[in-house]
Amino acid sequence: EPEVTQTPSHQVTQMGQEVILRCVPISNHLYFYWYRQILGQKVEFLVSFYNNEISEKSEIFDDQFSVERPDGSNFTLKIRSTKLEDSAMYFCASSQRQGGEAFFGQGTRLTVV
Amino acid sequence: GESVGLHLPTLSVQEGDNSIINCAYSNSASDYFIWYKQESGKGPQFIIDIRSNMDKRQGQRVTVLLNKTVKHLSLQIAATQPGDSAVYFCAEKDSGGYQKVTFGIGTKLQVIP
Repeated sequence: EPEVTQTPSHQVTQMGQEVILRCVPISNHLYFYWYRQILGQKVEFLVSFYNNEISEKSEIFDDQFSVERPDGSNFTLKIRSTKLEDSAMYFCASSQRQGGEAFFGQGTRLTVV
Repeated sequence: GESVGLHLPTLSVQEGDNSIINCAYSNSASDYFIWYKQESGKGPQFIIDIRSNMDKRQGQRVTVLLNKTVKHLSLQIAATQPGDSAVYFCAEKDSGGYQKVTFGIGTKLQVIP
């Protein structure tokens, strides 16, 4: 069964460093998303991406964040100058069509120390 | 300071009984609703969805009920099994947004063997 894969599963970084979280969406999907979940809290939308551009983003997704689809298979989330409060699980998701069922990856646990 | 996580509502049911998980939403413009299941250490997994022009939808062992009048959504799981133990999130999408899905707080379902 096709699935969304994310790497790494756990990333530890020092405050102020840049991190890149990687995702490989399901191959025939066209819409890509990043969500985050701070420990013990609900899942929060960060950004959606379609046709090589951001289609929607939340208030959380400020200038510190950027997304990219560098090739035909990867979808990345870059966090510049990480802060302690960026520590969370980051989930990538993809869907075949707008408003369609989104499939989530297993997540990357980001720990900023 | 350290942030405090949300205290998840917990529903404990006996194996074989039916479970009903409830969710209230506040956005009258939401037109699409989804239930997700999240097992420990994993990403949200799609269970079932419903559009606002319906009030009931059935899947395999699951039923979603939508009451737009009181902005209430429920997930019914028939013959609950130990493998159903997880956190269940309702999520909604605004008709005016492209892709942003807003997740609820979640309910922890514990199945007692």
